[in-house]
Amino acid sequence: EAQVTQNPRYLITVTGKKLTVTCSQNMNHEYMSWYRQDPGLGLRQIYYSMNVEVTDKGDVPEGYKVSRKEKRNFPLILESPSPNQTSLYFCASSLYTSGGPYNEQFFGPGTRLTVL
Amino acid sequence: GIQVEQSPPDLILQEGANSTLRCNFSDSVNNLQWFHQNPWGQLINLFYIPSGTKQNGRLSATTVATERYSLLYISSSQTTDSGVYFCAVSGAGSYQLTFGKGTKLSVIP
Repeated sequence: EAQVTQNPRYLITVTGKKLTVTCSQNMNHEYMSWYRQDPGLGLRQIYYSMNVEVTDKGDVPEGYKVSRKEKRNFPLILESPSPNQTSLYFCASSLYTSGGPYNEQFFGPGTRLTVL
Repeated sequence: GIQVEQSPPDLILQEGANSTLRCNFSDSVNNLQWFHQNPWGQLINLFYIPSGTKQNGRLSATTVATERYSLLYISSSQTTDSGVYFCAVSGAGSYQLTFGKGTKLSVIP
């Protein structure tokens, strides 16, 4: 089954304790992205990746890191989480044709993170 | 960056009614998508429609890129249509996807 998976689905942690949220897709998609969703603010893009070893900042990258060492995986790293990073996080992937726009995005189930 | 505005912010419908959701954007786009977020939080892609018209069952969408808007039509609404509908766009030459704040649809029996 074609899908985007995220782990963990729920996480409660404390300020300053490094954490990683994993994202994996089995559709051989080039493009992957992370979003956070907050009430009243909608979805905002954190980072995206056009392919292996190619990443770029979205609208709200501060406090986050990403890496793309393999095509299927795109982990989100919070080196020193703070309470303002409490949010619902989504990973997404899509096909990308070089020289053109990427296509429809497929979303993972979401990770609800609480930072105390 | 590109601005995306959706209207109305909230919509309540009786089951069986039709509705039109609107998405306005501030600049040329090379990518426009409509998503449905169900009450359990799952985001489902409805349409990839940077221009033209598409239909999928009771749903259809039209994007008029030259006038910078897109419309999502829902006909014969069902309670399972409830949730939040998002429009998302990428400006020409950009690979960032910018979301509108969504339209919250409630379909009541």
